[in-house]
Amino acid sequence: QQQVRQSPQSLTVWEGETAILNCSYENSAFDYFPWYQQFPGEGPALLIAIRSVSDKKEDGRFTIFFNKREKKLSLHITDSQPGDSATYFCAASQGGSAKLIFGEGTKLTVSS
Amino acid sequence: AQTIHQWPVAEIKAVGSPLSLGCTIKGKSSPNLYWYWQATGGTLQQLFYSITVGQVESVVQLNLSASRPKDDQFILSTEKLLLSHSGFYLCAWSRDWGVAEQFFGPGTRLTVL
Repeated sequence: QQQVRQSPQSLTVWEGETAILNCSYENSAFDYFPWYQQFPGEGPALLIAIRSVSDKKEDGRFTIFFNKREKKLSLHITDSQPGDSATYFCAASQGGSAKLIFGEGTKLTVSS
Repeated sequence: AQTIHQWPVAEIKAVGSPLSLGCTIKGKSSPNLYWYWQATGGTLQQLFYSITVGQVESVVQLNLSASRPKDDQFILSTEKLLLSHSGFYLCAWSRDWGVAEQFFGPGTRLTVL
């Protein structure tokens, strides 16, 4: 059973547009949700994260919107750049746990 | 600043041969350490974690083992590789137990033939 789901599997946007990546989860006990950015052949890099006590987290062009009731969150990338082309993973963990559960990833392509 | 190094960068091994992958963290004492496996084009699956030297917990069984011989070193190994072991192996660290932010190394690409 996949505890963290992401959609779409792949997404293409034009340079300057806003990319919206979706994530949902099963376990209501999850309270920490990081997003990782991974380029081919590299390890994932922590991009931005949110805790369940917040409904929004912003860092530059990257914003997480969180809906605890619906167990959904989304990552918005505004003014998308070709350098943002990568695979983005949503993950979740429960307070005090060392276990991070990852989604299947969304491959983002930004065309110029 | 903390740095994480993995070795080797890539390996090509035969089915049935042994394997040893390594990970070293510099700039952080007593980190929590993790091993992940990623199939090509797939998600990340946590394999092991370690809170302290000599203690390793297994998360999934994939005919692999892990050890932490030093505070800054984490080793992943097996005596007999399977085709299904092919993939990308990632080491990660976090500051303290219960702190969820995990930071990943550059990874080791393993191809089993």
